[in-house]
Amino acid sequence: GAVVSQHPSWVICKSGTSVKIECRSLDFQATTMFWYRQFPKQSLMLMATSNEGSKATYEQGVEKDKFLINHASLTLSTLTVTSAHPEDSSFYICSAEGTSGSMSYNEQFFGPGTRLTVL
Amino acid sequence: GQNIDQPTEMTATEGAIVQINCTYQTSGFNGLFWYQQHAGEAPTFLSYNVLDGLEEKGRFSSFLSRSKGYSYLLLKELQMKDSASYLCAVLDSNYQLIWGAGTKLIIKP
Repeated sequence: GAVVSQHPSWVICKSGTSVKIECRSLDFQATTMFWYRQFPKQSLMLMATSNEGSKATYEQGVEKDKFLINHASLTLSTLTVTSAHPEDSSFYICSAEGTSGSMSYNEQFFGPGTRLTVL
Repeated sequence: GQNIDQPTEMTATEGAIVQINCTYQTSGFNGLFWYQQHAGEAPTFLSYNVLDGLEEKGRFSSFLSRSKGYSYLLLKELQMKDSASYLCAVLDSNYQLIWGAGTKLIIKP
């Protein structure tokens, strides 16, 4: 299956600093990537949908000036958490949309996730 | 609004069978996914249903009834490694994935 990598896998930072998370589709081109956040014992929450070469579409309640998304190429999207605070501590997961073989649907392939802890 | 309901937690015994239900109300329907997520890891794809009926894949099967807005994931011959959260997600009319909160499955020896 398609592989999506995420870097870093975990990060600890001080309050007020910015953190960049990279999401790469390794063996396929992804015109659309998704960024999710997951708090402990909760489901995935879609933060934004990122299309290559255009501005990201943010979900209601997600601050676009705080969570900067750049999708510069068909294989790379980045999420920058600016001026991170302890409440931003969470598990951030990206996924990339690709066509699954001969199937007619677009399957989302998930990265391994990034655990962010803000002190 | 859009809504996906599934039980919060279920417990089953190793070697047994368990059925995890999912009901949904969404704006449009373009398919239903089941994902498995182990603690601290990203979800992994299990199944996709877009037509009514049962899809069998090894020990796992998934069923869909579009008229009832209902699906279930059936796990047979349970193994300890099946302990995980199982997420139901529906692709709506805008091809956006709507996620359920997940069902935590605990397998006991």
